[in-house]
Amino acid sequence: EVQLVESGGGLVQPGRSLTLSCTTSGFTFRDHAMSWFRQAPGKRLEWVGIIRSKLYGGAAEYAASVKGRFTISRDDSNNIAYLQMNSLETEDTALYFCSRGKIGGVRHWFEHWGQGTRVTVSS
Amino acid sequence: ETVMTQSPVTLSVSPGESATLSCRASQGVSTNLAWYQQKPDQAPRLLIYGASTRATGIPARFSGSGSGTEFTLTISSLQSEDSVIYYCQQYNKWPLTFGGGTKVEIK
Repeated sequence: EVQLVESGGGLVQPGRSLTLSCTTSGFTFRDHAMSWFRQAPGKRLEWVGIIRSKLYGGAAEYAASVKGRFTISRDDSNNIAYLQMNSLETEDTALYFCSRGKIGGVRHWFEHWGQGTRVTVSS
Repeated sequence: ETVMTQSPVTLSVSPGESATLSCRASQGVSTNLAWYQQKPDQAPRLLIYGASTRATGIPARFSGSGSGTEFTLTISSLQSEDSVIYYCQQYNKWPLTFGGGTKVEIK
């Protein structure tokens, strides 16, 4: 069974950093792209970014709203994806989800998701 | 950025009737379009990908159609558990983008 579990959310002050983890099991992690999404209260889902598998170059793509502040990385030995968030803003307050992309470099849809971890940016 | 627009915002349907949800892309996305169902504070559930392919375990009463810029999700024989929010998402180009959602209500 494919499982994804996010952790690391919490309350953080504006301008500070936070790193989220997505611990996975039940599939060959290294073969799949991994993506992060978020949803602010009452808002639509927003894609944050994606990291390709090393087989497809291992590069990441980001939404404009987080580019330069957020970094996605992966640990293929431990089957974990990370979302490092720097210079956090109040607008980053949201429920953050990780999701498994397909095997491949482009054109991903998302069948498997974690339950989400909540990030609140407030002074 | 490809802007996704969903209509209507809210749809009220009687049990057993059909619901038709629309999604429009600001530029062509071919059939690189997915539909998700989401309950409050829960992760989305993939219903359809490739505009018309049902995901694993999704009942046949959910069907998708369309290509290019116009897409439709049809839910036939609406059941009470279908009363949630539905999102379309394009994955043709970065950034991946979602529509604003359609909330389906049971009359």
